[in-house]
Amino acid sequence: AQKITQTQPGMFVQEKEAVTLDCTYDTSDQSYGLFWYKQPSSGEMIFLIYQGSYDEQNATEGRYSLNFQKARKSANLVISASQLGDSAMYFCAMRELLSNDYKLSFGAGTTVTVRA
Amino acid sequence: DTGVSQNPRHKITKRGQNVTFRCDPISEHNRLYWYRQTLGQGPEFLTYFQNEAQLEKSRLLSDRFSAERPKGSFSTLEIQRTEQGDSAMYLCASSAPGQANTEAFFGQGTRLTVV
Repeated sequence: AQKITQTQPGMFVQEKEAVTLDCTYDTSDQSYGLFWYKQPSSGEMIFLIYQGSYDEQNATEGRYSLNFQKARKSANLVISASQLGDSAMYFCAMRELLSNDYKLSFGAGTTVTVRA
Repeated sequence: DTGVSQNPRHKITKRGQNVTFRCDPISEHNRLYWYRQTLGQGPEFLTYFQNEAQLEKSRLLSDRFSAERPKGSFSTLEIQRTEQGDSAMYLCASSAPGQANTEAFFGQGTRLTVV
């Protein structure tokens, strides 16, 4: 079974500063994918960034970057230049094989609060 | 709006009553997922459809839960004889056919409170 661990229940960050959200994973698969989602108070899960296990470069999407360390099995999310609208829960997820397709398995999440 | 739509957004029901939720995925998406999210936790997989076929069900999905996707478009999730432990956010997601890195698009969820 695969497992996603997010050890930071909550974090505070000053506006315009960077914040790193930790994610470690456990899998015996050679091919896998890692996702980060943002969930504001409205409830919708918003896709942020994807990293494939064979991707040689760390993924980046605007102010989001993924620090992928395969040997350590970690996929930390870095949010640069934090904005007040970044306050939300953030979930790390791994693509997990179903019988003939895939599903996402999520960590417990990290609540980020951006202070003005 | 062409995103994933879920109705109702909120549902309060008495213990023992039946409830039904609806999910309208993005139109060209053939994959549809239901997840359950309790307070302070990440979403947990419940079930998966590819077109109209329900291909996978989690052990979390007890006999009181049933999901359908009759024409491969919208889906319904029904909970019979609700219990207080069923109180949670029920999220629906859809994704397009193709590569495994295809992101799943989520609806805003249905928040169920069983009193």
